[in-house]
Amino acid sequence: DIQMTQTPSSMPASLGERVTISCRASQGISNYLNWYQQKPDGTIKPLIYYTSNLQSGVPSRFSGSGSGTDYSLTISSLEPEDFAMYYCQQYDSSPLTFGSGTKLEIK
Amino acid sequence: QVQLKESGPGLVQPSQTLSLTCTVSGLSLTSNSVSWIRQPPGKGLEWMGVIWSNGGTDYNSAIKSRLSISRDTSKSQVFLKMNSLQTEDTAMYFCARNWEYFDYWGQGVMVTVSS
Repeated sequence: DIQMTQTPSSMPASLGERVTISCRASQGISNYLNWYQQKPDGTIKPLIYYTSNLQSGVPSRFSGSGSGTDYSLTISSLEPEDFAMYYCQQYDSSPLTFGSGTKLEIK
Repeated sequence: QVQLKESGPGLVQPSQTLSLTCTVSGLSLTSNSVSWIRQPPGKGLEWMGVIWSNGGTDYNSAIKSRLSISRDTSKSQVFLKMNSLQTEDTAMYFCARNWEYFDYWGQGVMVTVSS
């Protein structure tokens, strides 16, 4: 199974700040990497697919990049609604696996 | 619009079988795949398995021996059955559209394994 290591596990940040969350795969995953946001009520929302493609309706302050084993999610300027959990997920091979999550907290 | 909704018992006894239903609307199961994903309290997400549009399935090897996913296309429902439940199977269970990229999610159903 491909292991996904997500860092940091938690990140205090301020409104308007630029933040980056990292995700490293245990082997190359050919850009087959997605990102999701989970709100405190448990609702899960897709953000980015195939490394850098923005899901329809997701604000442009979200962006994704990476290649090989290393990927990242960047939020250019934090808004109040962005404080949530974030997960990466690979689909290069089965079983699909997720990172352990990053909790974005208000500083 | 596309919607998925999970349903099932909130409490299951250890060693028993879990049966969950995912009822979909706004999509056809004959042209869409549906996955099951679970999340233990305070922990991350685990992909459990998928039923593809052609009715084929794929399961996470970690739970493959205990898991079965099926569907009733006429009722727009996907079913999950998992046997020999243990306390570590306590989790929120989600169904989601697709296999590679989960673009629509249900709200989830909490299942507690306890006597």
